[in-house]
Amino acid sequence: EDKVVQSPLSLVVHEGDTVTLNCSYEVTNFRSLLWYKQEKKAPTFLFMLTSSGIEKKSGRLSSILDKKELFSILNITATQTGDSAVYLCAVRGGTSYGKLTFGQGTILTVHP
Amino acid sequence: EAGVTQSPTHLIKTRGQQATLRCSPISGHTSVYWYQQALGLGLQFLLWYDEGEERNRGNFPPRFSGRQFPNYSSELNVNALELEDSALYLCASSLALSRANEQFFGPGTRLTVL
Repeated sequence: EDKVVQSPLSLVVHEGDTVTLNCSYEVTNFRSLLWYKQEKKAPTFLFMLTSSGIEKKSGRLSSILDKKELFSILNITATQTGDSAVYLCAVRGGTSYGKLTFGQGTILTVHP
Repeated sequence: EAGVTQSPTHLIKTRGQQATLRCSPISGHTSVYWYQQALGLGLQFLLWYDEGEERNRGNFPPRFSGRQFPNYSSELNVNALELEDSALYLCASSLALSRANEQFFGPGTRLTVL
């Protein structure tokens, strides 16, 4: 069964700090890894990484995928209070037929 | 472009009742997914519908069921509600399943079972 583990479970930083969130996974026939930001209800899509796209960047956020070591990291530079949220990592395998398997999430709190 | 919409926002039921949750996907998306997010737990996959057919279901009892309509909207039904069914139910949609599908989520329905 596919498995995703995120670390740390929670993180408290001050504005301007840089944070690194980790996601390790075990999946049969890897297809993609996705990062989401969940503030109140709807998880908001951030990035999708696949075999053909192992690094993504958008503004202060960036993510890389290491298919050999089976992990991904999400970096946020110059953090702002608006970055406070739960960050979710999910994977889809070739046998999961549409299903995303999520990690438990990292709760990020950014203080002013 | 309108995102995924869900209704109702909140739903309060008592044990043994039935709940019906609704989801409208992003225009052009044919796949709809349902997830349960219970307090303290991560998102758990419930069901996947594509082109009107149930394609996959997670490890949930048969009292969790649903359907997809010709306009690709979807309904999740939970029969014989139990206290532990209290959770946020999230719907997501995507284009037809391809090698790597991005799923976009709606705001969820908060179901409380008393």
